[in-house]
Amino acid sequence: ETGVTQSPTHLIKTRGQQVTLRCSSQSGHNTVSWYQQALGQGPQFIFQYYREEENGRGNFPPRFSGLQFPNYSSELNVNALELDDSALYLCASSPDRVGYGYTFGSGTRLTVV
Amino acid sequence: AQTVTQSQPEMSVQEAETVTLSCTYDTSENNYYLFWYKQPPSRQMILVIRQEAYKQQNATENRFSVNFQKAAKSFSLKISDSQLGDTAMYFCAFMKPILSKLTFGTGTRLQVTL
Repeated sequence: ETGVTQSPTHLIKTRGQQVTLRCSSQSGHNTVSWYQQALGQGPQFIFQYYREEENGRGNFPPRFSGLQFPNYSSELNVNALELDDSALYLCASSPDRVGYGYTFGSGTRLTVV
Repeated sequence: AQTVTQSQPEMSVQEAETVTLSCTYDTSENNYYLFWYKQPPSRQMILVIRQEAYKQQNATENRFSVNFQKAAKSFSLKISDSQLGDTAMYFCAFMKPILSKLTFGTGTRLQVTL
């Protein structure tokens, strides 16, 4: 059992649309991070939430936003989709703020056409 | 900014043999963590092994071990007795404890053959 569940597994959107990706973490995992993995690349850090507040952000524009909820679920929202947003989006959660014990989900494959 | 370099895009090893994957990183920090993650076709990133920079002893997890050379900023992964299930993409990653942000390399595709 992975402990981190992401939905949907695959998604196709049209350029300019908006998308919401969801992640459900294990109980007690107060830290959640989102990563973008383009084809053939390593994951890139988008942002991190700790106890429902954003506490770190990578080099991504404001149209990438997120939310973390008290029930250990979280969302990644992307507005005004661009073709380059096509990627695998990974959610990772940890029981501690340091992130020493991250557990990753299997990701959502987003295709923008 | 930290960077992680994996210079071997692809590697192949026969079952039961030993293989070493290379990773170098660049940082001015003294305290940090290093990780090796495995990503099979299922896409989930699975932690293989981790190392705290302040620990001189190399980490070991069953068939997986690392050679951590702090001065050289090198962090290689050795897989002993390779198994078909080890076939996957392997990513080296760096993390500063306070930010909890993982910086990944570009990965090494490992193929284990019969």
